[in-house]
Amino acid sequence: DTEVTQTPKHLVMGMTNKKSLKCEQHMGHRAMYWYKQKAKKPPELMFVYSYEKLSINESVPSRFSPECPNSSLLNLHLHALQPEDSALYLCASSQDNGELFFGEGSRLTVL
Amino acid sequence: GEDVEQSLFLSVREGDSSVINCTYTDSSSTYLYWYKQEPGAGLQLLTYIFSNMDMKQDQRLTVLLNKKDKHLSLRIADTQTGDSAIYFCAESYGGATNKLIFGTGTLLAVQP
Repeated sequence: DTEVTQTPKHLVMGMTNKKSLKCEQHMGHRAMYWYKQKAKKPPELMFVYSYEKLSINESVPSRFSPECPNSSLLNLHLHALQPEDSALYLCASSQDNGELFFGEGSRLTVL
Repeated sequence: GEDVEQSLFLSVREGDSSVINCTYTDSSSTYLYWYKQEPGAGLQLLTYIFSNMDMKQDQRLTVLLNKKDKHLSLRIADTQTGDSAIYFCAESYGGATNKLIFGTGTLLAVQP
């Protein structure tokens, strides 16, 4: 299994809603990542978890809250988002050799 | 992060070779990558090169690295319509937590 699975594929939420994005991998990778990608732009790193501990937070606003319940799962909890947070959210995982495997992404629209 | 620049758009005819260029600024990068992104999809790793290499060939793909000029290129031989996508170069320092810095992306359009 060489897949990174993200759910949901599409999410529409209001600014007062609380929702979560989920990511799962069964490759035994110990690092997992959240990236944000706006239209026609490159992905931008948000968070990195290594061995289930948060190792990098790229100054992301607190309305985005990551969680790593175990080595196979990564969540991104969303609360009080703004319309400008609408984007494709990409999850990735990697082994120690650094090669990142990306999921298909969750496309988020904030109304 | 450091700026990683790519040309925005490249158009080629089916069967021709495509060359996508990338200029990076951080000479301490350990790995340099090429990713492909089709519309509405995630990123697919195509190939990567260690910073101590000059060239890597993988089937239709050839990566050239010029460390002196901080220039990376991806050549796709016999380009097919299925190669139409956005191509991102990326640099990183490697390790267990691999922070990738992506280039601005090049849209490759393959004309039949």
